Amino acid sequence: GAVVSQHPSRVICKSGTSVKIECRSLDFQATTMFWYRQFPKKSLMLMATSNEGSKATYEQGVEKDKFLINHASLTLSTLTVTSAHPEDSSFYICSAKLGSYSGDTQYFGPGTRLTVL
Amino acid sequence: QKEVEQNSGPLSVPEGAIASLNCTYSDRGSQSFFWYRQYSGKSPELIMSIYSNGDKEDGRFTAQLNKASQYVSLLIRDSQPSDSATYHCAVNVGSNYQLIWGAGTKLIIKP
Repeated sequence: GAVVSQHPSRVICKSGTSVKIECRSLDFQATTMFWYRQFPKKSLMLMATSNEGSKATYEQGVEKDKFLINHASLTLSTLTVTSAHPEDSSFYICSAKLGSYSGDTQYFGPGTRLTVL
Repeated sequence: QKEVEQNSGPLSVPEGAIASLNCTYSDRGSQSFFWYRQYSGKSPELIMSIYSNGDKEDGRFTAQLNKASQYVSLLIRDSQPSDSATYHCAVNVGSNYQLIWGAGTKLIIKP
């Protein structure tokens, strides 16, 4: 149980285009999903917290107009990188949290590697 | 600012020995603590969670928590080459239980 999928697993795009990444919880309902970014040999950096049916909460320094997050259902959250630039190239990982009480575990998707040319 | 500190390593351990990974955190209000394993190019995989002071064992893995010292550790017994990975300590903070991550410790198990 607690399987999270991400699509696509890898994407290469031209500078200036937009890229949408999907995160799905396959066998459970996730009221909260998280989006992370990880640069090579660095730790995960939380970008935003996504709650179903409400606006995402972005971490300091993350541009909400550039990284659009939609959490339209209990099993799907999407991250759209708008007008992507080479510096947006990174490993984007989502996670989904079981339940709604303190201490719940986050289960991670397999990640999406974005390369912007 | 809430922080989680880990030695980045690499930590080199002979096969069959005990690997000891350590982590300290700054937020005394934290209640939930996690160890994740990440292989190169892959996303993190949950190894252990711990919520109470003391030890928690699961197979070859033992997590230890000392809230007074704000210290969490992970012991891996009978280390195998397949245990070679980066191990992240993560701590729950915030109203949405966001995770704050340590930088990760790279563990190398030498055959």
